[in-house]
Amino acid sequence: DADVTQTPRNRITKTGKRIMLECSQTKGHDRMYWYRQDPGLGLRLIYYSFDVKDINKGEISDGYSVSRQAQAKFSLSLESAIPNQTALYFCATSDPTPGRVADTQYFGPGTRLTVL
Amino acid sequence: AQSVTQLDSQVPVFEEAPVELRCNYSSSVSVYLFWYVQYPNQGLQLLLKYLSGSTLVKSINGFEAEFNKSQTSFHLRKPSVHISDTAEYFCAVSDRRGATNKLIFGTGTLLAVQP
Repeated sequence: DADVTQTPRNRITKTGKRIMLECSQTKGHDRMYWYRQDPGLGLRLIYYSFDVKDINKGEISDGYSVSRQAQAKFSLSLESAIPNQTALYFCATSDPTPGRVADTQYFGPGTRLTVL
Repeated sequence: AQSVTQLDSQVPVFEEAPVELRCNYSSSVSVYLFWYVQYPNQGLQLLLKYLSGSTLVKSINGFEAEFNKSQTSFHLRKPSVHISDTAEYFCAVSDRRGATNKLIFGTGTLLAVQP
């Protein structure tokens, strides 16, 4: 089974609808991240969380919110979806093991979201 | 703030030919450097990273990258590519000072290996 899973894998919705993307991990990592990928723009950080009570905005958080329900679960919500939120969304995790100065991030398979 | 530039959006190459994917970064502080690979319809996977020590780092599948501080570059090379190397490659940096491990990604380079 995959260590980082995302549901749904594909979603088509309409402008104004509320959408939730879910991420679960079995790696036991404390840190979780949400990115969006747009053609020609690479990946940009939306939100990140270091534990259940520590959630931080990334560079493009407007129009998004998150919830860290447990160490293993980190959900991304679009309160009122708009067409320019059409993108590929990735969840990632990392593990701040003592002594490691830069932790590898492990990515889920992505959710392709289309907002009509 | 950091930024990453990958000037080549697409690099076509024939199988068994050498390839270089370019990455330049801008930062006022020291950084860690990463290359991630994204195979079709998959998430990103770490290919290799430079944290400290030897400026030449290697992956298990024949790729290597060299950190050049004076040129602020971290180019990725492979002497002989395979069809299976077809993927999108992302260069990324992370601030050495911070504890957040936030990654700043480049825009990606699609490596298209042709038979």
